[in-house]
Amino acid sequence: GAGVSQSPSNKVTEKGKDVELRCDPISGHTALYWYRQSLGQGLEFLIYFQGNSAPDKSGLPSDRFSAERTGGSVSTLTIQRTQQEDSAVYLCASSSGGGDSYNEQFFGPGTRLTVL
Amino acid sequence: AQSVSQHNHHVILSEAASLELGCNYSYGGTVNLFWYVQYPGQHLQLLLKYFSGDPLVKGIKGFEAEFIKSKFSFNLRKPSVQWSDTAEYFCAVSPSSGNTPLVFGKGTRLSVIA
Repeated sequence: GAGVSQSPSNKVTEKGKDVELRCDPISGHTALYWYRQSLGQGLEFLIYFQGNSAPDKSGLPSDRFSAERTGGSVSTLTIQRTQQEDSAVYLCASSSGGGDSYNEQFFGPGTRLTVL
Repeated sequence: AQSVSQHNHHVILSEAASLELGCNYSYGGTVNLFWYVQYPGQHLQLLLKYFSGDPLVKGIKGFEAEFIKSKFSFNLRKPSVQWSDTAEYFCAVSPSSGNTPLVFGKGTRLSVIA
């Protein structure tokens, strides 16, 4: 079946502008994660949605970052008043929230954000 | 808080050489352990995972990893690398209970030269 998809694949914006990044998880996956991959920094957790529970926002670096997940499926990550340090690849992943506790996450191709 | 350390930032090997990439984690409870690979221009793919049972796990493309609980380690190995193994390798950990975010190491870039 289809994997995790993200759009746009690349986004160039000017400092101070707002951006929205979209993630379509694998159909039926109840858990959705956003990570950020910065050069030389590995992957950094941002936010996590599990079903209808309140999201775990503990990884968001500032209040300029927010995310929502509509209808338990598509998610949008919004960065307001972008700064140059926000430049990174933003990765989305999803996993099944079924009866087993296994935590295999499937990753999308990412959105490369460049803030000028 | 959990953390993952990957000791090698960049490894350069000749084809047919053996590979071992180190990974140590810090977490007091039971964990799930993963190795992900990112080939140039491609997205992250799961290479192998450990949940329980045999601490020696085998993954795709001839890779294997050994979980040594006493050392909090999960090193990745391959007896003979190929040029096509050139990629970035990430070790990750999560608590074994439920679906929780992964904590990743900073990655090891592997370059295999002919």
